[in-house]
Amino acid sequence: EAGVTQFPSHSVIEKGQTVTLRCDPISGHDNLYWYRRVMGKEIKFLLHFVKESKQDESGMPNNRFLAERTGGTYSTLKVQPAELEDSGVYFCASSLLAGVIVNEQFFGPGTRLTVL
Amino acid sequence: AQSVTQLGSHVSVSEGALVLLRCNYSSSVPPYLFWYVQYPNQGLQLLLKYTTGATLVKGINGFEAEFKKSETSFHLTKPSAHMSDAAEYFCAVIGWSASKIIFGSGTRLSIRP
Repeated sequence: EAGVTQFPSHSVIEKGQTVTLRCDPISGHDNLYWYRRVMGKEIKFLLHFVKESKQDESGMPNNRFLAERTGGTYSTLKVQPAELEDSGVYFCASSLLAGVIVNEQFFGPGTRLTVL
Repeated sequence: AQSVTQLGSHVSVSEGALVLLRCNYSSSVPPYLFWYVQYPNQGLQLLLKYTTGATLVKGINGFEAEFKKSETSFHLTKPSAHMSDAAEYFCAVIGWSASKIIFGSGTRLSIRP
């Protein structure tokens, strides 16, 4: 069974440009999460989808970030326009059942975003 | 609110030596605690988790952790380090909303030959 996949693995863009990150969760997983690790800091929660609905987007840093999960399958995270402080590693995770507290979240390898 | 503190951003041990990675948590409700590991160029992998019941939990690759409520700790140990254990380790707790994971800042483990 394929794990969580993320594309691209690495993206280098100029400040002010737009970047779109994609996450494909494990097939059948209702829950999809985005996290971010800025250099040297802890991994921080961005948002949580249950199927196609945003369950919790309390971690989204500002309105330059837009996440979508059309059809409840893959998700995209768009940063527009990108700023220097957006550099970091963006992780996606998925888990199987909605409403289960300690259901294991399976993580993808991350997308390393560098904004110059 | 929940929070996690990992003591030591970098730990180095000799091969065959005891591995001890420290984690303290803060939680206003009974916590669910986790250790994740990230090997180079890979995603985060769950090592072990504590939910309820036995306070000593065993995980993959010979790692274990003990939940100590009185000390608000969940330290990770392995009796004998192997070169393949070199990675970054994250202690984490499930937040009040029971969805988002709250991570510590990570501890990079190096193994000396």
